[in-house]
Amino acid sequence: DAGVTQSPTHLIKTRGQQVTLRCSPISGHKSVSWYQQVLGQGPQFIFQYYEKEERGRGNFPDRFSARQFPNYSSELNVNALLLGDSALYLCASSYLRDKVGYGYTFGSGTRLTVV
Amino acid sequence: GNSVTQMEGPVTLSEEAFLTINCTYTATGYPSLFWYVQYPGEGLQLLLKATKADDKGSNKGFEATYRKETTSFHLEKGSVQVSDSAVYFCALSDLYNFNKFYFGSGTKLNVKP
Repeated sequence: DAGVTQSPTHLIKTRGQQVTLRCSPISGHKSVSWYQQVLGQGPQFIFQYYEKEERGRGNFPDRFSARQFPNYSSELNVNALLLGDSALYLCASSYLRDKVGYGYTFGSGTRLTVV
Repeated sequence: GNSVTQMEGPVTLSEEAFLTINCTYTATGYPSLFWYVQYPGEGLQLLLKATKADDKGSNKGFEATYRKETTSFHLEKGSVQVSDSAVYFCALSDLYNFNKFYFGSGTKLNVKP
């Protein structure tokens, strides 16, 4: 079975631009979470979506938004990019919203570089 | 609020040495605790977990015990291998949203042959 897939794997954007990152969860997983991992730090929670509704939000500015589609895939959008948005963006999917660590699986991430 | 503190790295060991990576946490109540491993250029892989006090998580020779009295979840391995070289993250899950994780800053482990 395919794991969590993220696209693209790498991209370079210019300050002020907008970017869309994509995540396809494991088949049957209905919850998708997004994390930002700045180089040398641990991942920080951005959003969680379950059944197409936002269920959690981290301490990130409104420039960050996300959505989940009927097939449970998800997009993370970042507007007005700043140099500090350069990071590895990780997506994680799980089967049940409220079951701790149940099948919680991370993708390999999208490496975003803002120049 | 929730937070995780782990020892700074890098940690450099010779093959077959004993490994300890310290992790302490601050949280409301008793969250579930995790260790994740990240190899270069890859995402995070779950190494082990413990969901209640005194539980011991174990996997691939790694162990960690949930200690509520010291709010700790230290990672140990009796004999490390070169292939264990990676970055290790301690994490806890939010009590009210189990899909929201808080991670430590990571500890890089280098194992020399």
